[in-house]
Amino acid sequence: EADIYQTPRYLVIGTGKKITLECSQTMGHDKMYWYQQDPGMELHLIHYSYGVNSTEKGDLSSESTVSRIRTEHFPLTLESARPSHTSQYLCASSEVKGASTEAFFGQGTRLTVV
Amino acid sequence: AQSVTQPDIHITVSEGASLELRCNYSYGATPYLFWYVQSPGQGLQLLLKYFSGDTLVQGIKGFEAEFKRSQSSFNLRKPSVHWSDAAEYFCAVGALGGNKLVFGAGTILRVKS
Repeated sequence: EADIYQTPRYLVIGTGKKITLECSQTMGHDKMYWYQQDPGMELHLIHYSYGVNSTEKGDLSSESTVSRIRTEHFPLTLESARPSHTSQYLCASSEVKGASTEAFFGQGTRLTVV
Repeated sequence: AQSVTQPDIHITVSEGASLELRCNYSYGATPYLFWYVQSPGQGLQLLLKYFSGDTLVQGIKGFEAEFKRSQSSFNLRKPSVHWSDAAEYFCAVGALGGNKLVFGAGTILRVKS
C-alpha cells in the first residue's frame, strides 16, 4: 500500500480565498508531483520537485505555487482562488530504483471554488 | 515529445466478457509504460508496468498488457471482466530517471450485468 496522503479530500471555498492543498508521503521519495485533472480529461502535470528546495513548473500553466522544504511534504497553494481553479488535484511521488520509476498517487483533492 | 493516445473514451462490456483497452504512445527512446486505474473519487492505482524483457506483462486484478514496439502500442487486456472493474483506466509513458509521466485521456469502462 502506497503511503501518500492528501488533505483535504474535498474542499468548497469562496472566490478570493487563499487555500493550501496538503500532500505528504512517508516513502522517502525524492521526486514529487502535482497533477490537475478535470472531469473526463487526462492528467496534466502542473508542478514537480526533484527534492528539497527544488520546484519546477510542469506542462500545464497554473497560477498555483508549491514549496518543498521537507522531503515528505509538497504543499500546493492558491493565493486567490477562482472558479476556473475548480478541478481535482492529484499528488504523486516516485523514486528511481533500478529500472523502476513507478509513481504512487494520493487519493486527490477535489476543489470547488464558488 | 512524449504523448499517449487512448482512442476509446468509453467502453461498455458485459460481465464475464473479455476486455481490451487500447493505448498508443509516441516516444523517442525506449519507453517505460504503465497502466493505472482510477475508481470514482479515488487516486490512481498502478495495475502494471513495462520496462524491459518479456513484452507480455502481468498485473494485479487479473490484468495483462502487451508491449508491441512495431505498433507503438501497450494494450491492456483481461479475459473475464467483473462488475468491480468498472472504473477509468489511464495509460502513461515515462522515462528512466525522468521527471514525469505523460498520461492519456483515459478510458471509462462500464460493465453491464
